[in-house]
Amino acid sequence: QQPVQSPQAVILREGEDAVINCSSSKALYSVHWYRQKHGEAPVFLMILLKGGEQKGHEKISASFNEKKQQSSLYLTASQLSYSGTYFCGTETGNTPLVFGKGTRLSVIA
Amino acid sequence: DGGITQSPKYLFRKEGQNVTLSCEQNLNHDAMYWYRQDPGQGLRLIYYSQIVNDFQKGDIAEGYSVSREKKESFPLTVTSAQKNPTAFYLCASSRDREIGNEQFFGPGTRLTVL
Repeated sequence: QQPVQSPQAVILREGEDAVINCSSSKALYSVHWYRQKHGEAPVFLMILLKGGEQKGHEKISASFNEKKQQSSLYLTASQLSYSGTYFCGTETGNTPLVFGKGTRLSVIA
Repeated sequence: DGGITQSPKYLFRKEGQNVTLSCEQNLNHDAMYWYRQDPGQGLRLIYYSQIVNDFQKGDIAEGYSVSREKKESFPLTVTSAQKNPTAFYLCASSRDREIGNEQFFGPGTRLTVL
């Protein structure tokens, strides 16, 4: 089951904050976050594991609510370089990662 | 440098022709994946392989085929049976298929069928 991301798109001015949400209808073992610039490969940001472990960038924060089957990615003091499409991917057991449709983030000066 | 290479970056083919997309990794990863990306659809899994000589269908395997004869190589063939093959194709790998392993992506191949 594909996770649902919200919002679909967001426009920020430099320095503003944003939150991107990812929710699943199934119990989650992990949530992965990636960022993709247009025409390029997705780049790994963070993995959140059931039980609270996190792996990833120091400057990016995220939360994982296992009970609600949701994760949120927090982007603070946004920079122009944060622009791109953000994807969450979820693991629900012994099945491959399933990605959401993405959230397009545009940061303007 | 370790990484994943995909070639070519752009590929044009006539309708009805089979085409093979290359994916090579030197990360010594066991697991490899093929994704298709269409505008607004995210990344959809075509096939994945957990180990040499073994692979499984993903969500949209119809019209595609793969092989995994070597650990470092996982080519994807887009056959004439694929009704709408024009898309951006991404190959990825991970250390193994255990939960919580980061996937590393190649630069992608943009296939256009005329």
